[in-house]
Amino acid sequence: RKEVEQDPGPFNVPEGATVAFNCTYSNSASQSFFWYRQDCRKEPKLLMSVYSSGNEDGRFTAQLNRASQYISLLIRDSKLSDSATYLCVVSPGDYKLSFGAGTTVTVRA
Amino acid sequence: GAVVSQHPSRVICKSGTSVKIECRSLDFQATTMFWYRQFPKKSLMLMATSNEGSKATYEQGVEKDKFLINHASLTLSTLTVTSAHPEDSSFYICSARANPDSASEAFFGQGTRLTVV
Repeated sequence: RKEVEQDPGPFNVPEGATVAFNCTYSNSASQSFFWYRQDCRKEPKLLMSVYSSGNEDGRFTAQLNRASQYISLLIRDSKLSDSATYLCVVSPGDYKLSFGAGTTVTVRA
Repeated sequence: GAVVSQHPSRVICKSGTSVKIECRSLDFQATTMFWYRQFPKKSLMLMATSNEGSKATYEQGVEKDKFLINHASLTLSTLTVTSAHPEDSSFYICSARANPDSASEAFFGQGTRLTVV
């Protein structure tokens, strides 16, 4: 079983729509959770950390469900510039990070 | 924010030659850096953990004699792909954290697209 699994998508949505997707992780001892964004042929960049109580950053909302071992990301009022691959990233508590394969989102005009 | 610089961004080499990729932390000291490999539409796969002043720790299935890692200073780690073959063609990317807290942000280099012909 993969450490982090994501629906690869693609999610094709019109501008202004809301899109949401999840990822699941296998290590119940995982301590830190992140969403990274990766544009085509570029390096990943941190979108937001995910906290136990859930957190919001502008149009982006992240939720963590430790009992079910999944993390979600919701994008409201999507923009063309939100088109990217979103990587779910989990850390067991040391330096290492485990990456999902990414969920591709395409926002169309 | 902290910046990690990776060089070169793209390299094409002949089969059998070696390629060196550099990863530098520009405004922080990184005792540990990470090297990943990414195939198209796949997740980043950790290859090895580069430790300043000591041997790298390789993930299972990664040949240490094939992928030589040197972390000679607190700001520089290098990955050398030795005797490269077409199957080594991939996107290689390094990462470092400014502090050891697992909740801290990981910064990535720009990545190196290696093509072996």
